[in-house]
Amino acid sequence: EIVMTQSPATLSVSPGERATLSCRASQIVGGNLAWYQQKPGQAPRLLIFGASTRTTGIPARFSGSGSGTEFTLTISSLQSEDFAVYSCQQYNNWPYTFGQGTKLEIK
Amino acid sequence: EVQLVESGGVVVQPGGSLRLSCAASGFTFDDYAMHWVRQAPGRGLEWVSLITWDGGSTYYTDSVKGRFTISRDNSKNSLSLQMNSLRAEDTALYYCAKAVAATGGLFDCWGQGTLVTVSS
Repeated sequence: EIVMTQSPATLSVSPGERATLSCRASQIVGGNLAWYQQKPGQAPRLLIFGASTRTTGIPARFSGSGSGTEFTLTISSLQSEDFAVYSCQQYNNWPYTFGQGTKLEIK
Repeated sequence: EVQLVESGGVVVQPGGSLRLSCAASGFTFDDYAMHWVRQAPGRGLEWVSLITWDGGSTYYTDSVKGRFTISRDNSKNSLSLQMNSLRAEDTALYYCAKAVAATGGLFDCWGQGTLVTVSS
């Protein structure tokens, strides 16, 4: 099983600033890496797939990068609606695995 | 609009059984693989099971193999998860999720979830 490790567990950032979230895979997953956003009481929402491709309707301030085992989600200028939990997921091999999530909170 | 609506979550005793359902609408159901993903209270997301577009192949995470069975009825646009021999560690919010293709593990739409609590 591929273990996904996210850091940090919690990130405190002020609105308008940049947030950088990291995700590491225990094995190479190629570009088969997705990022999801989850707000309290809501289902996860797919933001990024293929490590760097935004889903339709996702603002350009969200960007993904990386390949192999190291990946990054960057939110360039945080808006109030961006404070949420972000999870990475590898879909290169089953069992498909998620990171434990990074909680992005208002500083 | 794609919609997934889960149902069937209740409080059940350890060792008991439960069947979850997911009603799908807004897309051609039999074109896509479907999944169950769960989230224990205060924990991260955990993939549980996959069924391919035609039901021909199914996959499970190790902790539920032999206890859970995923199935689908393409004539009714519905997905199910039969859960037997339930354990306390199966307590979670169970999401139905649509894959982006006929197989594979990328999910582009999720339901709101149904809560399963295993407790005596």
